[in-house]
Order: sequence, then structure tokens, then C-alpha cells
Amino acid sequence: SQQGEEDPQALSIQEGENATMNCSYKTSINNLQWYRQNSGRGLVHLILIRSNEREKHSGRLRVTLDTSKKSSSLLITASRAADTASYFCAILNFGNEKLTFGTGTRLTIIP
Amino acid sequence: EPEVTQTPSHQVTQMGQEVILRCVPISNHLYFYWYRQILGQKVEFLVSFYNNEISEKSEIFDDQFSVERPDGSNFTLKIRSTKLEDSAMYFCASSERGTGTNYGYTFGSGTRLTVV
Repeated sequence: SQQGEEDPQALSIQEGENATMNCSYKTSINNLQWYRQNSGRGLVHLILIRSNEREKHSGRLRVTLDTSKKSSSLLITASRAADTASYFCAILNFGNEKLTFGTGTRLTIIP
Repeated sequence: EPEVTQTPSHQVTQMGQEVILRCVPISNHLYFYWYRQILGQKVEFLVSFYNNEISEKSEIFDDQFSVERPDGSNFTLKIRSTKLEDSAMYFCASSERGTGTNYGYTFGSGTRLTVV
């Protein structure tokens, strides 16, 4: 399977702490994307990192990519209650158009 | 910020009936997609659409499914003869460009389809 596998499946932290989620995949990729999904809602694109990039920042988000280990991490700093959601990595392979999603990490921020 | 709009937000249908899920992609986007998410499971690709034709489809997207861009703004997914296992959240997405261009996708908020 090419799909991203997120780790951990669930994570609960106190508000203000940092949250780190990991994603592993099996094939060469064009890019890797992270999405957020609030319960029962749509997918919101957070950040995209290309295969030739190693790190990217967007506000409180920091994404790293290690293509040698076929893994990525998403760090959310200074977490807020509103960050409670499921987070998915999705990979885009060369030569096709479909995003392949992982199973997600359910993040709960405790106020 | 531009949005992808999906209607209805929730549809309940009898098994065996046909349903049409509607989407209005972002106006300057050229690539359109349908994904689905069965409750508690991962998001799965169904089909991509570009230049008025299907460019890629998954094994899930069999003869029961069809897509259409009937006018310049709407993008529809038709499911014929619905089955219980078609119950899922269906997401439409669009992107300005397709594969290899390093752009994220904009997803709609989804249509929850319940087949009874």
C-alpha cells in the first residue's frame, strides 16, 4: 500500500503544549500534504511540502520531510482548544493525480 | 477565500435509488475530484476530471458511478442503484492545476449520504 500511515492514532495534550504527528509512506512521492478535519466536516488543506524540501513553516505549523526514511512530521506549537481535530497526511505520487490519504491522527487539546 | 460548495449537506435515500451529489468548484480551477470517506475510515479517491473527461479513476468507481460537468460551474457525481455500503461522506475537491504542480487541493464540506 502506498498510503500514509499516521502515528499516533490518537493524541491528547494540554492546551499550550506542542503536538507532533508522524506520517510514513512506502513509495517515492511528488509531494506530501497535511489536512485537518473537524468532526463530521470537510478537509482543510494545511500545508504542502515538495519532495525536494525538508522543512516548511506556516504560522504555528512546522512540517518536516525525510525522503530517505519516507516519513514526515507535523508539529503544532502552542496548541489551542480549536486545534482539536483529526489530522491526515496525504501523498501525491508522480504520474497520477490522486491523493492517497492516511488513516489520520485524532488530536484532542485539553483546555 | 474561495470555497468549494457541495449540496446537499445530507441526503437520505432508499436502497436502489439514484442520487446526484452536486459540487461547485472554485471558478478558476481546472481539475476536479471526488473522494469518499466511510464513517471511521480513511478518505478514498474516486475519480479525477479534467477537460471534460475522466482523467483517472479508482477501482471503487465502477459502472454504478458517473461524473458530469453539465455547465461551466457545476460538477456532479451520480450514483445509480445505491447500496447500503455507499453510505459515506462524499467530498468534492478542485485544484488550479493537477499532478506535479505542488498545489494543495480545496475540498468542499462534504455530502453525507445515508442509504437505508
